[in-house]
Amino acid sequence: DTGVSQNPRHKITKRGQNVTFRCDPISEHNRLYWYRQTLGQGPEFLTYFQNEAQLEKSRLLSDRFSAERPKGSFSTLEIQRTEQGDSAMYLCASRWGREGTGELFFGEGSRLTVL
Amino acid sequence: AQTVTQSQPEMSVQEAETVTLSCTYDTSESDYYLFWYKQPPSRQMILVIRQEAYKQQNATENRFSVNFQKAAKSFSLKISDSQLGDAAMYFCAYSKNRDDKIIFGKGTRLHILP
Repeated sequence: DTGVSQNPRHKITKRGQNVTFRCDPISEHNRLYWYRQTLGQGPEFLTYFQNEAQLEKSRLLSDRFSAERPKGSFSTLEIQRTEQGDSAMYLCASRWGREGTGELFFGEGSRLTVL
Repeated sequence: AQTVTQSQPEMSVQEAETVTLSCTYDTSESDYYLFWYKQPPSRQMILVIRQEAYKQQNATENRFSVNFQKAAKSFSLKISDSQLGDAAMYFCAYSKNRDDKIIFGKGTRLHILP
């Protein structure tokens, strides 16, 4: 079990560019979650998947954000036309769902800096 | 909507002493899950302790224990015999069930004084 893996760990981009983050969850986990965390704040929920189905999207998630989880394995989070306000740590987490204890396992995060 | 409130942005405790972190939440559900997560500086978030609302007994994990007051919607974390490695951000969190999203509070930064 290698844990939740996120790539890239750091991304610096210019305003207006598109960026994509990838998350590889723990292989047995059917639920995958994306959160955004700004400095000194708690993680804010963005969206989550059960297998390949996207079950919920936060109202925080503007139409510039899109997430996918093809084949129910890894997931990608794309941000189009980045803005300085998008600068944050993007956290991915996974868990078993109903069969599990409820514990979320987090990756180390992908830090985005928009110049 | 469910909310989680942590009213202590920062706390400090002397090494080997005991500290309690406060958390309140709001929900209309009768059964749910509560968590405390720890985020050390520049490291990933890990679970400290969890509580299922239908269980009246307070959860304990070694030096960590909770005081779960369902009627008051309060869920505090007690850390006994504080160690330098306990220095971190601590997040209280709520989930409606085992597969719904988890909602986090804003966190409490805990400093351990040697």
